[in-house]
Amino acid sequence: EVQLVESGGGLVQPGGSLRLSCAASGFTFSSYSMNWVRQAPGKGLEWVSYISSSSSTIYYADSVKGRFTISRDNAKNSLYLQMNSLRDEDTAVYYCARDPGGPATAFFDYWGQGTLVTVSS
Amino acid sequence: DIVMTQTPLSLSVTPGQPASISCKSSQSLLHSDGKTYLYWYLQKPGQSPQLLIYEVSSRFSGVPDRFSGSGSGTDFTLKISRVEAEDVGVYYCMQGIHLPPTFGQGTRLEIK
Repeated sequence: EVQLVESGGGLVQPGGSLRLSCAASGFTFSSYSMNWVRQAPGKGLEWVSYISSSSSTIYYADSVKGRFTISRDNAKNSLYLQMNSLRDEDTAVYYCARDPGGPATAFFDYWGQGTLVTVSS
Repeated sequence: DIVMTQTPLSLSVTPGQPASISCKSSQSLLHSDGKTYLYWYLQKPGQSPQLLIYEVSSRFSGVPDRFSGSGSGTDFTLKISRVEAEDVGVYYCMQGIHLPPTFGQGTRLEIK
């Protein structure tokens, strides 16, 4: 059974930093691209970042470029999101999501349960 | 960015009746490989999104056959042939052909 378990969320002040983790199990993690997708309270879904299986290709949404860094450790079956210079508008539930798509597409077949990040003074 | 527009934004359906959600993209989702990269997700209350339909019309593993997807180019539809109580939640369409992947605003389905 595919499982994705996020952790690391919490309350942080504007300008602060946080590191999210996503522990994967039930599949060969090193064979899949991964993504972070977020959802502000009461709002819709927003893609945040993508990393290929080997970490050779990385993309970011314009809203987080230069502030967030995605990474992975295939030996530990783990995905990470380092978030710096956090803003109020980064407040959201952050989901990690598996991406079975090839080079032509991105989509998400399994999602974690999410971890809440609250940016507030 | 590609804009995904869903209609309606909410609908209330009697159990056993059909439901339909439209999704329109601001650009064609047809790739040169012949595939169309349009997806449908359902987010049940208090849960993370779950994949229902991929590449317009293919049902994901475990998705009941009362769910069906259709469409081409820029116009797509999700249909539920007979709504059940467990279908309540917010439905999102998503395009995966152009970076960044973008979602529709969501359609909230409730049971009458």
